[in-house]
Amino acid sequence: TQLLEQSPQFLSIQEGENLTVYCNSSSVFSSLQWYRQEPGEGPVLLVTVVTGGEVKKLKRLTFQFGDARKDSSLHITAAQPGDTGLYLCAGARSGGSNYKLTFGKGTLLTVNP
Amino acid sequence: GAVVSQHPSRVICKSGTSVKIECRSLDFQATTMFWYRQFPKQSLMLMATSNEGSKATYEQGVEKDKFLINHASLTLSTLTVTSAHPEDSSFYICSAEVPGGGYTFGSGTRLTVV
Repeated sequence: TQLLEQSPQFLSIQEGENLTVYCNSSSVFSSLQWYRQEPGEGPVLLVTVVTGGEVKKLKRLTFQFGDARKDSSLHITAAQPGDTGLYLCAGARSGGSNYKLTFGKGTLLTVNP
Repeated sequence: GAVVSQHPSRVICKSGTSVKIECRSLDFQATTMFWYRQFPKQSLMLMATSNEGSKATYEQGVEKDKFLINHASLTLSTLTVTSAHPEDSSFYICSAEVPGGGYTFGSGTRLTVV
């Protein structure tokens, strides 16, 4: 079983602050995805990173995939209360009969006004 | 984009009864769907992989006789929680592989067994 270690597990910050969430593994993934989930709803895909060293920006969110494709980070600039939610990283491996996602444990972010 | 519709969104059932949860791909064919379970403020735990026309593949520790999965068509997978007990209360989410790569998730089902 491949494990994705996600940290921190909980994060409570004030509006306007910056934050970074980390996702690390000892295994290589063909791609890594970041999701945001609100209570009572399914996860919503934010981004997929595929290439080692890749950096993607989505407004105030910056996603990075490590050169070795074993780790990733999500950086949020000037967080807003609307960013509150559970952030999940998930790694995918290609090939084989079970092409499934491995999820990190999630980071519960609370942005206080 | 590809959408997966999951029903019901909430269900309350009595202990000992069975509950069926449906997951439909609305505008694409899904040969593979995934069923997850999620406890409050925790991540998604994969329960099983549902393959159209064949038996589901269950993750270690998941009772296949308790969580029956049927994937009889390319657009529908169902999860039936049989003889439900309070400890089965949880948030269940389905997901499907999207043509061209990637995954899309249903909106989840909150099951409460009383």
